[in-house]
Order: sequence, then structure tokens, then C-alpha cells
Amino acid sequence: EADIYQTPRYLVIGTGKKITLECSQTMGHDKMYWYQQDPGMELHLIHYSYGVNSTEKGDLSSESTVSRIRTEHFPLTLESARPSHTSQYLCASSHPSGQGSDTQYFGPGTRLTVL
Amino acid sequence: AQSVTQLGSHVSVSEGALVLLRCNYSSSVPPYLFWYVQYPNQGLQLLLKYTSAATLVKGINGFEAEFKKSETSFHLTKPSAHMSDAAEYFCAVTGRGGSNYKLTFGKGTLLTVNP
Repeated sequence: EADIYQTPRYLVIGTGKKITLECSQTMGHDKMYWYQQDPGMELHLIHYSYGVNSTEKGDLSSESTVSRIRTEHFPLTLESARPSHTSQYLCASSHPSGQGSDTQYFGPGTRLTVL
Repeated sequence: AQSVTQLGSHVSVSEGALVLLRCNYSSSVPPYLFWYVQYPNQGLQLLLKYTSAATLVKGINGFEAEFKKSETSFHLTKPSAHMSDAAEYFCAVTGRGGSNYKLTFGKGTLLTVNP
């Protein structure tokens, strides 16, 4: 059973506000990820991290930023929220499975609505 | 570059009927392939994955998938649908070596199970 947590689960906020979406995992995984998911669309990787102090942008351009100061914590920040940021944000973490492929475990997601 | 195509955004079956969810992939290297399930208001849960150990892969909840290189397919099946199988299903592919962390997802197939 994977232990990865996201807060808040739902957030409705006005344009221009700064927000931070929290993600924590208790499995000691080095790699962590943020995905953006829109209804009827595939998940898109927006950020990932190989470990502490390591962050990279993903395939989908995003105005959000991330930090990785502790292994278990990978928060995502939007400095100034806009309606175009309305989406579901999923956090994941992974460890090498011993079969050459990482298995990613997902949190429950944060559904963000920007008015 | 990798891509995934899931045929049918919505599949409806009767309880007890065969479930078949289709996934075709494109990859320039031998892929790893995954099926994830997402229940309403939850994150993604791994059903099964193909890592080249065996072409027929068995997963949780009675699901299985067969890797067919000649057809570039990785279709998901279950002999007898249960009401609890109603969810959205995502096929995903990743490369090998240094890029094996980057999951590329399909757009998902919503499975409805009718009583």
C-alpha cells in the first residue's frame, strides 16, 4: 500500500492569489512527480525530482514551481493563480522495482478551481 | 518518442460480461507498459505492468493484459465484469534506461458496468 498524501483535496481560489499544493510520501522514495490532468485528457508531467535539491521541468510547460528540500516533501506553488490553472494536480513518487522500470505511486490529487 | 492511443473513450459492459480495453503504443525503444485505474475522486492505482519478463501479465482484481509486439498493442481484459470495476483506465508507456521514469499516458477509457 502506497502512502502518498496531497492537501488540500479541493481548492477554490480567486485570480491572483498565491497557492501551494502539498505532497508528502512516507515511503522514502527518491523520485517524485507532479502531473496535470484535465477531464478527458491524458496526464501530463509538469515537474519531477530525482532527490533533494533536484528538480526539473516536465513535458508540459507550467507556470508553477516546485521545491525539494526534504525527501518526503514536494510542494508545488503558483505565485499568481489564473483561471487557466484550473485543473487536477496529481503527485506521484517512485522507486526502482528491480525489473528495470520504476513503479509510480499516486496521491489522491488536488482539484484546483481558479475563479 | 513514445505515445499511447486508447481506442474508445467510453466502454459500457454488463455485469458478468468480458471487459476489453484497447491500448496501442508507439515507441522507438522496447517499452515498459502499464495499466492504471482511477476511481472517482481518487488518484491512479497500478493494475499491472509489462517489463518483458512475460508477454501475458496478470494484475490485481482479476485483470490481465497481453503484450503483442507485432500489433504494438497491450490490451486489458477481465473475463467477468463486476460493478466495482466501474472506473477510468489509463494505459501508459515509458522508455528504458535513463528515460524510464517518464510515463506517457493515453487519454483514458471510462468503463461503465451495467447491472
